[in-house]
Amino acid sequence: DQQVKQNSPSLSVQEGRISILNCDYTNSMFDYFLWYKKYPAEGPTFLISISSIKDKNEDGRFTVFLNKSAKHLSLHIVPSQPGDSAVYFCAASVISNQFYFGTGTSLTVIP
Amino acid sequence: EADIYQTPRYLVIGTGKKITLECSQTMGHDKMYWYQQDPGMELHLIHYSYGVNSTEKGDLSSESTVSRIRTEHFPLTLESARPSHTSQYLCASRGTGLYNEQFFGPGTRLTVL
Repeated sequence: DQQVKQNSPSLSVQEGRISILNCDYTNSMFDYFLWYKKYPAEGPTFLISISSIKDKNEDGRFTVFLNKSAKHLSLHIVPSQPGDSAVYFCAASVISNQFYFGTGTSLTVIP
Repeated sequence: EADIYQTPRYLVIGTGKKITLECSQTMGHDKMYWYQQDPGMELHLIHYSYGVNSTEKGDLSSESTVSRIRTEHFPLTLESARPSHTSQYLCASRGTGLYNEQFFGPGTRLTVL
């Protein structure tokens, strides 16, 4: 059974607006969460992470929010830019063990 | 900046051929991983290694094998390729410590005819 789920396969947003990508997980032992960005025919690129002791982490235009009680995390991109168009994967792990990945959300930012 | 390399980037071969996908990293990371990913699907872990001479199978059953003779090198071998092996193969590495990310290579797109 999939432990990390991204229920929205795709998302379209106007340039300059906020993009919100969501991720749910089932394993309450997960304590480290990451977001990756992936272009076709390339490997994923690390974007931002958050540990379970925090509920928010910010890096420039990217902010990740973690709601442990709901087992939910989200990635906010503000403002969205056309270059942000890619597939975004969330991943989760228990401390330094293997990561479990979601199926990805394809973001399209419309100029 | 991550320095992890994969060759070849693209490979088209016929059924029954033996292939080796190369992965090297220059970061001195002990942990290395191989994932298989198809469009619209999650990354599936097929092999991992936590150091030299240490290899384990991941959650996704795979007919491939790996070796880890040197820290920087983690090749994946398919003894007899089949069309079902057509996929993107991603190599990653990770440093020691509790909270750090995996760095990914550019991937190998394998097509078996």
